[in-house]
Amino acid sequence: NAGVTQTPKFRILKIGQSMTLQCAQDMNHNYMYWYRQDPGMGLKLIYYSVGAGITDKGEVPNGYNVSRSTTEDFPLRLELAAPSQTSVYFCASVTGRASYGYTFGSGTRLTVV
Amino acid sequence: DQQVKQNSPSLSVQEGRISILNCDYTNSMFDYFLWYKKYPAEGPTFLISISSIKDKNEDGRFTVFLNKSAKHLSLHIVPSQPGDSAVYFCAASASGQNFVFGPGTRLSVLP
Repeated sequence: NAGVTQTPKFRILKIGQSMTLQCAQDMNHNYMYWYRQDPGMGLKLIYYSVGAGITDKGEVPNGYNVSRSTTEDFPLRLELAAPSQTSVYFCASVTGRASYGYTFGSGTRLTVV
Repeated sequence: DQQVKQNSPSLSVQEGRISILNCDYTNSMFDYFLWYKKYPAEGPTFLISISSIKDKNEDGRFTVFLNKSAKHLSLHIVPSQPGDSAVYFCAASASGQNFVFGPGTRLSVLP
């Protein structure tokens, strides 16, 4: 049981480039989330999804887009990368019961230069 | 404006002693709280939760206390072990979803 898988683990982008961060879970969880963590800060919610075909903005959605065509996958798209998007990105999922806690992926460290 | 605060960026404790990690929140609508532990280069892992209908929840060496009137919760680890050395995040939610995370406290347990 792989849990939540994020790819790539590391990436360096140039300003203005685009990329997609991949996230897949094999636990049949309905809820999926994208967070970013900046140094010395807590995790900030970018986007979330409560099921296939349904997505919604979190606290810091600007500069990002998401889609949820299947229960398993929740990719995060960065358009026109900016240095402010340098961060560690975490994907998480949960069955719907908060008492179980989120299952997080191991993260993608992104640097925009 | 941080809704969830962890005012101690770091904490050092001797092995075998108690570790107490604190968390304060400002939103009185928060009614569900989680603690996560994070090792370097890994994602956070869920540790323990508490809802506002309780003031204490225990799981092995880990106990979370909630003081709703003070908008304060704490995580107690007894006894502390070197493997507990990690960053601990407190998270809060008003709906059981879309949690707001604190900035974390780095715990070092010294042998």
